[in-house]
Amino acid sequence: ETGVTQSPTHLIKTRGQQVTLRCSSQSGHNTVSWYQQALGQGPQFIFQYYREEENGRGNFPPRFSGLQFPNYSSELNVNALELDDSALYLCASSLALVTGTDTQYFGPGTRLTVL
Amino acid sequence: GDSVTQMEGPVTLSEEAFLTINCTYTATGYPSLFWYVQYPGEGLQLLLKATKADDKGSNKGFEATYRKETTSFHLEKGSVQVSDSAVYFCALSDRGAQKLVFGQGTRLTINP
Repeated sequence: ETGVTQSPTHLIKTRGQQVTLRCSSQSGHNTVSWYQQALGQGPQFIFQYYREEENGRGNFPPRFSGLQFPNYSSELNVNALELDDSALYLCASSLALVTGTDTQYFGPGTRLTVL
Repeated sequence: GDSVTQMEGPVTLSEEAFLTINCTYTATGYPSLFWYVQYPGEGLQLLLKATKADDKGSNKGFEATYRKETTSFHLEKGSVQVSDSAVYFCALSDRGAQKLVFGQGTRLTINP
């Protein structure tokens, strides 16, 4: 069984640029969630995708956007990068159930540095 | 809104010591509760979970009991090892919720 994978592992960008991060979900999972983890902090929920539709969003501006593809992989796009966007971006996959979303399993993350 | 509060770190213990990391939560519904662990340079790994009151989650010698009356989910281990050194996150998820809400994390260092 393949776990959650993310690419790239590290990325350096400058202010104002745009970035795309990618995530492949665990086999059998249909839901992908994205989190931002600033240094020394707990992860903060950005948004979740279920069957290619956004299914909940945290307190992040519209310049954070995403996609989910038919194979349930996902992208996180961030436009007009700011210094405060420097963080570890974590993707988590899960299986949505009738009774709610099951346990989320995390990938290794993408470390984004904005200069 | 929902929130999770963990004991402040860092925590430093000697090998074979007893470990407790406190976690309390605030939630409007009946959340599921989780402990995740993050080793240096890695993502989060699920350590254990509990989905209803009085459930005990356990894994790798770690345990935590879902206490609804005290809104707590404290993590315990009877005898820690150097390899347990990591950052530990307590988290909750409402049923049907779209997100996990995390505490700020507790850094644990175990000295030989």
